[in-house]
Amino acid sequence: EVRLVESGGGLVQPGGNLRLSCEASGFTLSTYWMSWVRQAPGKGLEWVANIKQDGGEKHYVDSLKGRFTISRDNARNSLFLQLSSLRPEDTAIYYCAREDNRGFSDPSSYFFDHWGQGALVTVSS
Amino acid sequence: SYELTQPPSVSVSPGQTARIPCFGLRLGDKYASWYQQKPGQSPVLVVCQDNKRPSGIPERFSGSNSGNTATLTISGTQALDEADYYCQAWDSGSTVFGGGTKLTVV
Repeated sequence: EVRLVESGGGLVQPGGNLRLSCEASGFTLSTYWMSWVRQAPGKGLEWVANIKQDGGEKHYVDSLKGRFTISRDNARNSLFLQLSSLRPEDTAIYYCAREDNRGFSDPSSYFFDHWGQGALVTVSS
Repeated sequence: SYELTQPPSVSVSPGQTARIPCFGLRLGDKYASWYQQKPGQSPVLVVCQDNKRPSGIPERFSGSNSGNTATLTISGTQALDEADYYCQAWDSGSTVFGGGTKLTVV
């Protein structure tokens, strides 16, 4: 059974930092692109970043570039998101999600087939 | 940046067909996927790559994508289908979600 379990969320003051982790099980992490997606309270889904299987390629949503850093440790079956210079508007549930494309070559063919339960990050003084 | 637009809400009677549209410029040239999210739960993939249903998703869920519109169709809608639904597509290395549609079964 595929499982994704996030941890590391919590209350942090504006300007502070936080590191989220996502532990993967039930599949070989090193064979999948992985993403972080967030959801502010009462709002919709917002893609944050993704990372290639070997960690050699990363992409970020333009509005967050420079403040958040995605990384992975395949040997530890883990995905990470370093959040820096946090703002109140970063308050959200942060989900890790596995990407799949069923072997299609089209870059737009990817979808998120498994999601974690989410980690709540609250930025407030 | 690329945008996907969904109506905020759709209502349907039990047993009827619900259609949830997702609008994006030349969306039909990309693949669209759909996610269901119930209150307090993580999103669940219900349709991927325009019209493919993941294992475990009931046959009443289907999808289409052409021109500027992708559509999620739920046939024989049941009360348990009441949820928020999000469309998703990739553009220029980034993924985009629609704003979400709240499906009410009344």
